[in-house]
Formats: sequence, C-alpha cells, structure tokens
Amino acid sequence: ILNVEQSPQSLHVQEGDSTNFTCSFPSSNFYALHWYRWETAKSPEALFVMTLNGDEKKKGRISATLNTKEGYSYLYIKGSQPEDSATYLCAFRDDKIIFGKGTRLHILP
Amino acid sequence: DAGITQSPRHKVTETGTPVTLRCHQTENHRYMYWYRQDPGHGLRLIHYSYGVKDTDKGEVSDGYSVSRSKTEDFLLTLESATSSQTSVYFCAIGVQGALSGYTFGSGTRLTVV
Repeated sequence: ILNVEQSPQSLHVQEGDSTNFTCSFPSSNFYALHWYRWETAKSPEALFVMTLNGDEKKKGRISATLNTKEGYSYLYIKGSQPEDSATYLCAFRDDKIIFGKGTRLHILP
Repeated sequence: DAGITQSPRHKVTETGTPVTLRCHQTENHRYMYWYRQDPGHGLRLIHYSYGVKDTDKGEVSDGYSVSRSKTEDFLLTLESATSSQTSVYFCAIGVQGALSGYTFGSGTRLTVV
C-alpha cells in the first residue's frame, strides 16, 4: 500500500505571516502529485497537478514545488489570510490517487 | 459541484440493512472513484472505475461493492451496513493522463445506527 505523508498535521499561523508544509510520497513509479484545498463542509478543490521533477506552480499567494527524486513536495502560502484556513491535501497518483491525511491550517486574526 | 452530484446527501440507516449511494456525472469522464472520509484517516479509496463495467478495489473495499452500468453513474452499495461504515462518502471524477485535478461531489453523510 502506498504511503503519502503530510506534515505537520495541524498548523496555526498569524494573519500576514507566510508558511509552508510538506508532502512525502514514494519516489518510485511516479506519475503525478496533486494538491487540494479542502474547506470545512465543502468538497476538496484541486490547486495544482505537478508531474515533472523541479516543477514549480503558483496560484496567487500559493505556490508548490516538487522533487520526485527524493519524494517530496512543499506547499507555500505567502502572507496568510483568514480565507486560507482549510485542510490542504496532497495526493500521489499512479493508476489511482492515494491521499495524505492533510495539513489543517488555521489562520489567527 | 458542477458536473457531479451525489445522492442522497444525508442518510441514517440501521445496522444490517443494505444501502446504495449514487454518484452521477455529466462530464463523460471515464474514471470515477469512491472515497470515505474519517477523522484521522483523511480520504481513503474504496473502489474505483475505469469504464463501464470495469471496476477495481481500493484500500478499504471490504464490505462495499460497486457497479457501473453506464458512464454517468457509479453506485456504491453497502450490502449489510455496520456502524464502522458511518462516514462521509465522496465521489470523484477524473481524466486519466490529464493535468487537471479530480472533481469531487458534495459528499454523502451516512450514519449507521
């Protein structure tokens, strides 16, 4: 069974501060790495799909990097805002997607 | 969510009864997935389908069966519901090889009493 690990499990960040968290995944048989943002009482929404080693993706204040050789991806949030409060899931993909347990981000006003 | 709907949204059922959850898509995607969400476990794959009548097991498939008789519908059946199957169930659709992420339904909250 593939293991996708995310750390930390939970994170409290002051509004305006920048933060980042990690996703670790198997480095063999890599196909794609997904990041999702999941707000409470809603469904997960795709942020990024990353496929190439060294990939960097950016959407507004959120960006992600990918290292397939060592099996990790970082998600960065610059200048955190209250609306960034959510659970951030990463998912490793071969023929199906396996999700990590997520990092729950709380932005403190 | 646009293009994918789950029904029912909420259900309470008794232990030992059969339950079927429905996922319906209008996107004509080949791949469909059923996940369950539980505290401390995140999203875990139950079953998935890669085409009409083509299905495969995920990591937590025991006690569940699925059927896909047409592209737009993917049914998840609990043959004899147990309390351990109380969960929130999410359906997702995707395109193999695509660089877009998967689209999720709104979820079905199932309580087995």
